[in-house]
Formats: sequence, structure tokens, C-alpha cells
Amino acid sequence: GESVGLHLPTLSVQEGDNSIINCAYSNSASDYFIWYKQESGKGPQFIIDIRSNMDKRQGQRVTVLLNKTVKHLSLQIAATQPGDSAVYFCAENLSLNGGSQGNLIFGKGTKLSVKP
Amino acid sequence: NAGVTQTPKFRILKIGQSMTLQCTQDMNHNYMYWYRQDPGMGLKLIYYSVGAGITDKGEVPNGYNVSRSTTEDFPLRLELAAPSQTSVYFCASSPLAGSGEQYFGPGTRLTVT
Repeated sequence: GESVGLHLPTLSVQEGDNSIINCAYSNSASDYFIWYKQESGKGPQFIIDIRSNMDKRQGQRVTVLLNKTVKHLSLQIAATQPGDSAVYFCAENLSLNGGSQGNLIFGKGTKLSVKP
Repeated sequence: NAGVTQTPKFRILKIGQSMTLQCTQDMNHNYMYWYRQDPGMGLKLIYYSVGAGITDKGEVPNGYNVSRSTTEDFPLRLELAAPSQTSVYFCASSPLAGSGEQYFGPGTRLTVT
């Protein structure tokens, strides 16, 4: 079964507020996690990644937090804008055949809606 | 750069028909991937390639085949289409081994009836 999942399928926030999207994983050996954004009718777009030797990483208006103790990661979006409306996926790097080829296991996604 | 391009955008197939989904990238990436995305779900890896001439199975390879004769192209072949293959198919590429930063194409929406 899937080792990467999401707590909430939908999230609605007011424009300008901060958004927090959560993700749980079950494989304690997982060491690399990625967040993707998928707008309607488009392919996923890389947002940010984090390796297990870190617990926090920041990008432009986004922060990813990793809690290895409870196998949880979150994506925080500051000052959410209408253009942030999309489905957000967390993904786990899957090592196949003993090597890491960038093969990803995706969770089901959280739909973020931004209210003006 | 055009990035990753996929053709066709849409296709309807009858059960048992065959087709090839085309994927081309102009970024000189060695790593390429095929995913399928069922409604309301995340993406599942079908096949991947680490370079020209080298391909390997992903999580859900049954019913599909791939080839990689050039760095740029990574076509996905469906030999005997089944309704279970109705999905949106995404091709992606990446320049680095072990990198989760993949560049995705716009997708092909396939319906098998």
C-alpha cells in the first residue's frame, strides 16, 4: 500500500492567511521528501524538498517541516494568494533495485482553495 | 526551452486497441519517468529510464512498454488497451540521480471504452 498519505483532502483559507498542508508517511526508512503543486489541467510542479538530516527548510513563501519522530511533514505557505489554489502532493523518494533513481511515491493530495 | 512535451493531449481508445504516448524533453536530462494519475489520486510510477538504452519497471508496469533510443524521447506503448488504463499520463524528466525535482509535461488524458 501507499506509504505516503495526507491528513486532509481539502483546505480552504482566506487570501493573505498562512496555509498549512500536512502529510504523514509510514516508512521510517524514508529519507527524502518532496512537495509538488498541481494546478488544474497541468502537470505537477516542484515546490521544495527536504532530506531527513534536516527538520526545516525554507523557500520563497514556503517552509517545509519534517518531524521524523512522528513521521510527519508539513508545507507552510505564507500570505496565501489566489494563485496558490491547487492540489498539493507530498512525495517520498523510493529507492528501487538498491539505488535511488529519483523514483517517487506520491500521496493523494490536498486541494487548497484560496478565498478572496 | 520547451521543457517536456507530450502528445496527444487527449485520446479515446476502444478496448484492445494499441497506441503510443509520445514524450520529448529538450533539457538533455538523463532521467525520464512515466506516471499515471487516476481521478482524485496521486501519481503512480509506470516505467523509468536512467539514460538512452536503459529502462526499468516502476510500481505499475503491467500493460505498458517503453523504449529509450535517444536522450530526448521516451515513448510509452499500450498494446491491448483496457478500461483500467483510463487515466491521465504524465511524463517527467530530471537531470540528477536521486533528485525529487522532476519536470513534468502537461499530460495525456486517455479514455478506454
